[in-house]
Amino acid sequence: QKEVEQNSGPLSVPEGAIASLNCTYSDRGSQSFFWYRQYSGKSPELIMFIYSNGDKEDGRFTAQLNKASQYVSLLIRDSQPSDSATYLCAPTDSWGKLQFGAGTQVVVTP
Amino acid sequence: GAVVSQHPSRVICKSGTSVKIECRSLDFQATTMFWYRQFPKKSLMLMATSNEGSKATYEQGVEKDKFLINHASLTLSTLTVTSAHPEDSSFYICSARAGQYTGELFFGEGSRLTVL
Repeated sequence: QKEVEQNSGPLSVPEGAIASLNCTYSDRGSQSFFWYRQYSGKSPELIMFIYSNGDKEDGRFTAQLNKASQYVSLLIRDSQPSDSATYLCAPTDSWGKLQFGAGTQVVVTP
Repeated sequence: GAVVSQHPSRVICKSGTSVKIECRSLDFQATTMFWYRQFPKKSLMLMATSNEGSKATYEQGVEKDKFLINHASLTLSTLTVTSAHPEDSSFYICSARAGQYTGELFFGEGSRLTVL
């Protein structure tokens, strides 16, 4: 059973602070790791992806990957109220299929 | 970015009827399309993978006779929920990818199905 674990939250973050989201996965064959944002009642939106160990930055977002620890994280800097959403971690399996975690709800408070 | 259009966005039907949901890739050819179902406050659960011109591959526990998937062209896949029941009420989301195993995945807007 392939599993993707995320803290469900809600993670309350003051506006302007850093939100730190964690994700662990069980499939050692996962090669690519995606982070999606999902607003209530909407479909997921891609934030970024990472496939090499280390950090990858894209604007206010930084993804971190450690394949040895089977751990991937997402940092959101300078959090804004519009960042309030559920963030889904999704590693791919060897067939390229996304395996979604249940998501972490982030609430950015003004 | 690429656009995937899903229709209808909301549908309400009576128990026992069938509902068809369409998923179209508007500006690229989608070799592979995925269908997901999401219950409130739950994760997206992959139902099936469809490659153009071939039969869909269903995930364990998904009834292929109940959830009919057709991927007849590189821009269109359909999901038909046959003999729908209230427990089928959910948010159905399609996604499409140009490559069979790699490439960015683009999501449709989702379809909210309510079965009375």
